[in-house]
Formats: sequence, C-alpha cells, structure tokens
Amino acid sequence: EVVLTQSPGTLSLSPGERATLSCRTSQSASSNYLAWYQQRPGQAPRLLIYATSNRATGIPDRFSGSGSGTDFTLTISRLEPEDFAVYYCQQYGTSFLFTFGGGTKVEIK
Amino acid sequence: EVQLVESGTEVKKPGESLKISCKVSGYSFTSNWIGWVRQMPGKGLEWMAIIFPANSDIKYNPPFQGQVTISADTSITTVYLQWNSLKASDTAMYYCARHVSWSFDLWGRGTLVTVSS
Repeated sequence: EVVLTQSPGTLSLSPGERATLSCRTSQSASSNYLAWYQQRPGQAPRLLIYATSNRATGIPDRFSGSGSGTDFTLTISRLEPEDFAVYYCQQYGTSFLFTFGGGTKVEIK
Repeated sequence: EVQLVESGTEVKKPGESLKISCKVSGYSFTSNWIGWVRQMPGKGLEWMAIIFPANSDIKYNPPFQGQVTISADTSITTVYLQWNSLKASDTAMYYCARHVSWSFDLWGRGTLVTVSS
C-alpha cells in the first residue's frame, strides 16, 4: 500500500510570500505519476500540476512542481489571496491504484 | 463546454440503497477513465473506483471493493456509483473526476450524501 505524507500540515504565510509544500511517498514511482491539487473551501479539487512538473491548463506560472523518487515539492512563488486553500498530492501506483496525501492547508498569517 | 455534473444532494437512512450519477458532456465519453473520490466531512480525498466507459473495465480501491458499485451508461454518457445498504459512515461528499495522464483533470462539483436515522 502506497502512503503519501504531506508536510507541513498547516503553513501560515502572508500574501506575497513563497510557499513550499512537501509530499513524500512510501514507494518510489515514475515522475509521470505524481500530481497536485488545490481545494478551496466549498469547492471541488482542481488539478494544478501533473507528471510532477507540468502545469494544468489555465494554472498560473507562480505554481511549480519538482521532485523525483519519493520526494516531491509544490512551490507557490508569491502567494495571492486566492491561493489560501488546501493542497493535496496524488500518486498513481501499481495495479491502477490512486492515492492522495493527507493535505497541507495554506492559511493567512 | 467540457463538464461533469453530479446528481443532487441525498438524505438517506441507514440500510437504504442509493445510486448517484455523473453526467459527462463536451468530450468523447468513451475516451477517458472516470473515477469517484470520497471526501468525508472535514477530511481529505480518497479515491474509490474508476471505470473506462468504452468497455466497462473497472478498478476499485481495495477498501471500497464490495462496498460500492461503479457503472456507466454510454447511451446517456453517465457514470454511476451505487450502494446497496448505506451506513452512517458513508456520509460524505462524492466527486466524479476525469482521468488523464495519471491524474484527474476535470472534476464535478460533488454530490453530498447524508446518511442518518
């Protein structure tokens, strides 16, 4: 069973600051298989990054993803007010299984 | 417009059955896998099951195998999620989502299911 551990649980930052979110997976996987989502309160999740570093359609370039093996990072270069939300990483594993991390909440400091 | 639209809010009693739906429009229904994701109140995302509508190939997340049934009707471009006997612990928001490149690129707004006696 693949486990995705996101840290920190909560990140308190001010608008304009840089946010760095971590996702550690229990099993190494191809970088093609790691994605990031944003979920604002009361809304459905939205795909931000797929295949570790590719921005989804319409996602601003202040969002970037990196990593390999078991350690992956989502970076928001300068936080905008609409970026305060919960972020989830997700990995595709063997036997067509999808696993989500527990989430990191980015809150206004 | 490409969209996934889930059926409306449900309030059920324990032991009742339920079938919720996800209507797909704006792209070829048989081209992509469609999955269901659960979000319990105040909690994170859990992938439940996924179906390839073209041939009804299905995969379940093991904790949900036997607890729910996923299906699709290509004639009306709709994917379903069904329970035979609901439990209070099934209370959650359920999202359908389109699978592309090992991720889910398009999501519905969700169906809220409340199970309470």
